[in-house]
Amino acid sequence: AQSVAQPEDQVNVAEGNPLTVKCTYSVSGNPYLFWYVQYPNRGLQFLLKYITGDNLVKGSYGFEAEFNKSQTSFHLKKPSALVSDSALYFCAVNAGKSTFGDGTTLTVKP
Amino acid sequence: NAGVMQNPRHLVRRRGQEARLRCSPMKGHSHVYWYRQLPEEGLKFMVYLQKENIIDESGMPKERFSAEFPKEGPSILRIQQVVRGDSAAYFCASSHDAATNEKLFFGSGTQLSVL
Repeated sequence: AQSVAQPEDQVNVAEGNPLTVKCTYSVSGNPYLFWYVQYPNRGLQFLLKYITGDNLVKGSYGFEAEFNKSQTSFHLKKPSALVSDSALYFCAVNAGKSTFGDGTTLTVKP
Repeated sequence: NAGVMQNPRHLVRRRGQEARLRCSPMKGHSHVYWYRQLPEEGLKFMVYLQKENIIDESGMPKERFSAEFPKEGPSILRIQQVVRGDSAAYFCASSHDAATNEKLFFGSGTQLSVL
């Protein structure tokens, strides 16, 4: 069985500071990992995915994520946070019948 | 190219009534997935359909819930005899391929409220 854990329900950062949203996974075989963002009253939007290759994946809106096989982690990062980045972020493993984490609310304060 | 379209956006039903949620996938997508999101929780997989076939319904309750994706028309998630615990946001997603590395495109969801 596959699973995803997002250990932080909430992450608060000041605008302009770097941000990290954590994700760890458990899956047999090679993982396919995804990050999605959800704004209020909207569906999820794809940010980025890791399939294979370079461990640092770049995605939309300046976000990136680092795949770490030994730590089974796929943390989402951004060098300089914007207030408009405030949203709910979901990590997911595989696709189709994806398994999602419970989400992390990111709040960026001016 | 319209995205994934779900309707209605909001649906209010009284206990015991039926709820029908519709989802039109992106053009060219033949794989549809339904998820349920409860307040303060993540998305829980319900069912995966490909045109006219249910591929995986392991996340869908055995009673009162059913799903279809006919050859023509949208996918339908049907909940019979709704109860208050069915109140949630229901999201539909579609993909072009069933490969496990495909990203999903989500609709804006249907918020079901059961009175």
